[in-house]
Amino acid sequence: DAGVIQSPRHEVTEMGQEVTLRCKPISGHDYLFWYRQTMMRGLELLIYFNNNVPIDDSGMPEDRFSAKMPNASFSTLKIQPSEPRDSAVYFCASSQQGPTEQFFGPGTRLTVL
Amino acid sequence: GQSLEQPSEVTAVEGAIVQINCTYQTSGFYGLSWYQQHDGGAPTFLSYNALDGLEETGRFSSFLSRSDSYGYLLLQELQMKDSASYFCAPRQLTFGSGTQLTVLP
Repeated sequence: DAGVIQSPRHEVTEMGQEVTLRCKPISGHDYLFWYRQTMMRGLELLIYFNNNVPIDDSGMPEDRFSAKMPNASFSTLKIQPSEPRDSAVYFCASSQQGPTEQFFGPGTRLTVL
Repeated sequence: GQSLEQPSEVTAVEGAIVQINCTYQTSGFYGLSWYQQHDGGAPTFLSYNALDGLEETGRFSSFLSRSDSYGYLLLQELQMKDSASYFCAPRQLTFGSGTQLTVLP
């Protein structure tokens, strides 16, 4: 298996632009998680899905952030409009058994100028 | 409320044993997971404790006491490649900032 796939690996954009991050979970995994990691705040859970349904989005910082999972093999995290404080590494992870054993993708390093 | 505490940094020498403690407070608890993350890399799963006691996986062991809301990760025979950040993650909580382990020669 190729593992969790994320794209792009790096994204540099200007403030106010829309950013879309993509994730393909491991086949057969029913849970998908989006995280954000910064030096200041550590690794934060943004949202997670079970069987394509959002279960907990309490970590989504504000309305500028949205996530979708239209099918079992694809999810997006969108930021519109982006701000410099959104600069971080965004990880997607998937699992078979809930949050206990998650497999992380390589991450997307986002820089908002 | 909910909280999660780990030491921010730990330093040890190659071949030594180190223990990374984790205390948590949460309204719902389903087990304690541990992850390792090297600089520039993604977190990787190390272990999971659903019940009290010690779980051993090679050089790494993880312990949980649910009554004390406490767990630890024990790393034995430290190697240079063990230098990384280590996160404890009670279910339903964020990973926090983790513990940066530095292994010295």
